[in-house]
Amino acid sequence: DAMVIQNPRYQVTQFGKPVTLSCSQTLNHNVMYWYQQKSSQAPKLLFHYYDKDFNNEADTPDNFQSRRPNTSFCFLDIRSPGLGDAAMYLCATTWTGNTEAFFGQGTRLTVV
Amino acid sequence: GEDVEQSLFLSVREGDSSVINCTYTDSSSTYLYWYKQEPGAGLQLLTYIFSNMDMKQDQRLTVLLNKKDKHLSLRIADTQTGDSAIYFCADSSGGYNKLIFGAGTRLAVHP
Repeated sequence: DAMVIQNPRYQVTQFGKPVTLSCSQTLNHNVMYWYQQKSSQAPKLLFHYYDKDFNNEADTPDNFQSRRPNTSFCFLDIRSPGLGDAAMYLCATTWTGNTEAFFGQGTRLTVV
Repeated sequence: GEDVEQSLFLSVREGDSSVINCTYTDSSSTYLYWYKQEPGAGLQLLTYIFSNMDMKQDQRLTVLLNKKDKHLSLRIADTQTGDSAIYFCADSSGGYNKLIFGAGTRLAVHP
């Protein structure tokens, strides 16, 4: 059974049109992450939540925001997607002190 | 900042051993990881090693860590076509198990 679920698996959006990607988890983990993976590149951390505390990476563009309304759900909002934002977006979760982070299947975002 | 580097491509014959290498810069890494990514899929944790260990074996997988040289390797014994994927090395940096990934090594297994 999938434990970290990302919807949709594929998302096409128009240049400049706000888009939201979602992630849900059944593991009751307190830490959730969003990574961006561009083609043939390493996944790069955008931000993470420790419980309700939002932690932005220093080089994450302002165009990217996140919401975590409860333990189970986390959203990635891209306010004005550009062509350079086309990527696979990966959600992951863990519990503080765990060695393993659990990844979802990812959402592949295309910007047209 | 911290950096993780890997060679980008490895081709092996089915049944041979594969060795994927990785170097990292963060001397305070607590855990080092190997993830596997199949086409169009998310990341699957294969194995990890604690920084005070030299070696860890898990079935066909052997991880070697040279902490002095900051070098990590993953050996896959008896490589099969199902092992064809991209393999990412990662280290945990800072708190909350944030991961710094290498660019990934694409492993191609041919008959």
